[in-house]
Amino acid sequence: EIVMTQSPATLSVSPGERATLSCRASQSVSSNLAWYQQKPGQPPRLLIYGASTRATGIPARFSGSGSGTEFTLTISSLQSEDFAVYYCQQYNNWPLTFGQGTKVEIK
Amino acid sequence: QVQLQESGPGLVKPSETLSLTCAVSGYSISSGYYWGWIRQPPGKGLEWIGSIYHSGSTYYNPSLKSRVTISVDTSKNQFSLKLSSVTAADTAVYYCARSYADIVVVPGIWGQGTMVTVSS
Repeated sequence: EIVMTQSPATLSVSPGERATLSCRASQSVSSNLAWYQQKPGQPPRLLIYGASTRATGIPARFSGSGSGTEFTLTISSLQSEDFAVYYCQQYNNWPLTFGQGTKVEIK
Repeated sequence: QVQLQESGPGLVKPSETLSLTCAVSGYSISSGYYWGWIRQPPGKGLEWIGSIYHSGSTYYNPSLKSRVTISVDTSKNQFSLKLSSVTAADTAVYYCARSYADIVVVPGIWGQGTMVTVSS
């Protein structure tokens, strides 16, 4: 099983600032990496797949990068609706595995 | 517009079998995609339970494999989850989801989730 590790656990950012979230895989997952956003009481929302491809309807301020074992999700200018928990997930191998999440909170 | 809706008992007794159904509207399950289940214990992260391809191939989380069955009912356009011998550790919000694309297995469309509590 591939273990996904996200850092930091919590990120405090002011509105309008850039947020950078990291995700590391215990072995290479090529570019088969997705990012999700989850708000309280809601299901996760797919933001990025293929490490860098935005899902339909996702704003351009969300961008993903990386390959192999190191990945980054960048939110270029945080909006109020972006404060949430973010998860990475690898889908290179079964079982699909998620990171433990990064909470982006208002500074 | 594709929509998924979970249904099933909100309370299950320990050692019994948890059974949930995901009704799909706006798309025929038999036409394609992966259909899966993910759960989230209260205040915790996401755990993938398993997926079924429209052809019937199944993929399960090894940590749950001995207790899990995912099946499809094309006549009702729904798919189901059965988890046997449940304990309190199985208490969670259970989500059903469809893959983003036929060849992109990541869950892209999610149901709203249903809370299942395991307690006597």
